[in-house]
Amino acid sequence: DIQMTQSPSSLSASVGDRVTITCRASQSIGSFLNWYQQKAGRAPKLLIFTASSLQSGVPSRFSGSGSGTEYTLTISSLQPEDFATYYCQQGYSTPLYTFGQGTKVEMK
Amino acid sequence: QVQLVESGGGLVKPGGSLRLSCAASGFTLSDYYMAWIRQAPGKGLEWVSYISSTGSTIYYADSVRGRFTISRDTAENSLYLQMNSLRAEDTAVYYCATEIGVSAASLDYWGQGVLVIVSS
Repeated sequence: DIQMTQSPSSLSASVGDRVTITCRASQSIGSFLNWYQQKAGRAPKLLIFTASSLQSGVPSRFSGSGSGTEYTLTISSLQPEDFATYYCQQGYSTPLYTFGQGTKVEMK
Repeated sequence: QVQLVESGGGLVKPGGSLRLSCAASGFTLSDYYMAWIRQAPGKGLEWVSYISSTGSTIYYADSVRGRFTISRDTAENSLYLQMNSLRAEDTAVYYCATEIGVSAASLDYWGQGVLVIVSS
């Protein structure tokens, strides 16, 4: 099974900060990497698919990059509504596409 | 519009059974793969089960294989998860989810989730 490891597990940031979250796969996943945002008590929301494609309706301050085994989610200028937990998910190895353990973005 | 609504959660004793339902609207469930994802309190997301669009491919996480059964009813446009021999570690919010708008082995539509508590 492919293991997904996110770092950091949590981070503290201020509104306006640039935030970067990393996701590493235990083997190459060929850019089949998706990112989700989850707010407390809510279902996850797809932000980025296939490493760098922005889901419809998602603000352009969110971006994704990477290839092979290492991927990055960047929030260019953190907004108050962006404080949440972020998960990566590999879509390479069917059929149970594993998630990372999550990164909680908290207010500094 | 696309909507997924889960039901059937609740409190059950260890060893008991529960059947979760996920009613789909705004799309034909059998045209897409469907998944059950769960989240234990304060924990991350875990794939539980998957059923392909044709229904011919079904997979389970190791943690539930042999105890949980995924199924669907095309006439009802609904997805189900039969959970037997429940354990305390099955306590979680269970989401049904699918991918409709993209093609990336992602999940772009989710239900609101239903809470299952396994406790004596």
